[in-house]
Amino acid sequence: DIQMTQSPSSLSASVGDRVTISCRASQSVSTYLNWYQQKPGKAPEVLIYAASNLQSGVPPRFSGSGSGTDFTLTISSLQVEDFATYYCQQSYTTPRTFGQGTKVEIK
Amino acid sequence: QVQLQQWGAGLLKPSETLSLTCAVYGGSFSSYYWNWIRQPPGKGLEWIGETSHSGSTNYNPSLKSRVTISVDTSKNQFSLNLSSVTAADTSVYYCAGRGIAMPGRRYDYWGQGILVTVSS
Repeated sequence: DIQMTQSPSSLSASVGDRVTISCRASQSVSTYLNWYQQKPGKAPEVLIYAASNLQSGVPPRFSGSGSGTDFTLTISSLQVEDFATYYCQQSYTTPRTFGQGTKVEIK
Repeated sequence: QVQLQQWGAGLLKPSETLSLTCAVYGGSFSSYYWNWIRQPPGKGLEWIGETSHSGSTNYNPSLKSRVTISVDTSKNQFSLNLSSVTAADTSVYYCAGRGIAMPGRRYDYWGQGILVTVSS
């Protein structure tokens, strides 16, 4: 299985801050890397697909980059509604695997 | 717009079989792979497996011996059976769909999730 490791596991930030979350794969996944946002009690929602493509309807303050084994999710200016847990997921091969999550909390 | 609605038993005893069903509304049922994903309380996400509309399946090897995912195209539904459950199977179970032709193989559509608790 491909292991996905996110860092940090949690972070505290203020509204307006620039936030960066990293995701590393144990082997190359090319650009088969997706990012999801999950709020308490809700299903995850896709933000970024294929490493850098913004899902329809997602605000442009979200962006993704990377290829191979190292990826980044950036929120350019954190908003109140962005406080949530974020997961990366590789779709390069099965079994599909997710990172352990990064919880973004209010400072 | 595709919507997924799932149902099934929420409380099981050890050794019983977990059975969940997910109905798909809207969209073209044959244009997606249909997945099951679970999340233990307070933890991360685990992919269980997927089926095509024709019944071609792919399972997580960690669960493969206990998992069956089936499809009923006449009802636009797919189901999950997980046998011989233990407390470690206690999770929120989600059904999810990914478009066959969509880049990134991402999960665009999700059910509401069902908490399944295994307890004696």
